[in-house]
Amino acid sequence: DAEITQSPRHKITETGRQVTLACHQTWNHNNMFWYRQDLGHGLRLIHYSYGVQDTNKGEVSDGYSVSRSNTEDLPLTLESAASSQTSVYFCASSGWSRTDTQYFGPGTRLTVL
Amino acid sequence: AQKVTQAQTEISVVEKEDVTLDCVYETRDTTYYLFWYKQPPSGELVFLIRRNSFDEQNEISGRYSWNFQKSTSSFNFTITASQVVDSAVYFCALSAGNAGGTSYGKLTFGQGTILTVHP
Repeated sequence: DAEITQSPRHKITETGRQVTLACHQTWNHNNMFWYRQDLGHGLRLIHYSYGVQDTNKGEVSDGYSVSRSNTEDLPLTLESAASSQTSVYFCASSGWSRTDTQYFGPGTRLTVL
Repeated sequence: AQKVTQAQTEISVVEKEDVTLDCVYETRDTTYYLFWYKQPPSGELVFLIRRNSFDEQNEISGRYSWNFQKSTSSFNFTITASQVVDSAVYFCALSAGNAGGTSYGKLTFGQGTILTVHP
């Protein structure tokens, strides 16, 4: 069955380290998204991509970067992790239209000490 | 800018009670899409329903029903005869549909409503 996966599921790192969270989907979806979920803020969009080589900044993009070299993957990189980036991160994907329904991965819980 | 408000932070009911989760949205787009997602205690986000702005028909799926009213900018979710397994955080979300707009295709989430169903 087609699916969307995230790895690792849990990560503890130290302030200042570079961290990369993986997102992989097998639906052949064109659109991919990264969100973070924090208490009191719901889900907020970090970065998104509407196709290979396309990346865009979302609402809370500072300190994060993404690259899209193929259809299946959109890795999220924290260049220099900060304690404020402790959060649960969700990857999502949707079909070909930008307004298609987004389906979410299982999430990655990241703790920055 | 678009906005989704879920005024109920937490709701607690006893099993078999009916419960309605409120969602009010704001958008300037004439075309838009509304969604409900469920986040059970295990943490994943599960898609429940999608409605288009031009389709105000109510939807029923088993014990779940959704009431979409453009006149009040609301998209409320009712669970009939609630069960313990319904305990979760429920998110309402909005996606702008006017191509070229700054919010086109981006999901804006409400803060979520924590539903606890007691046995």
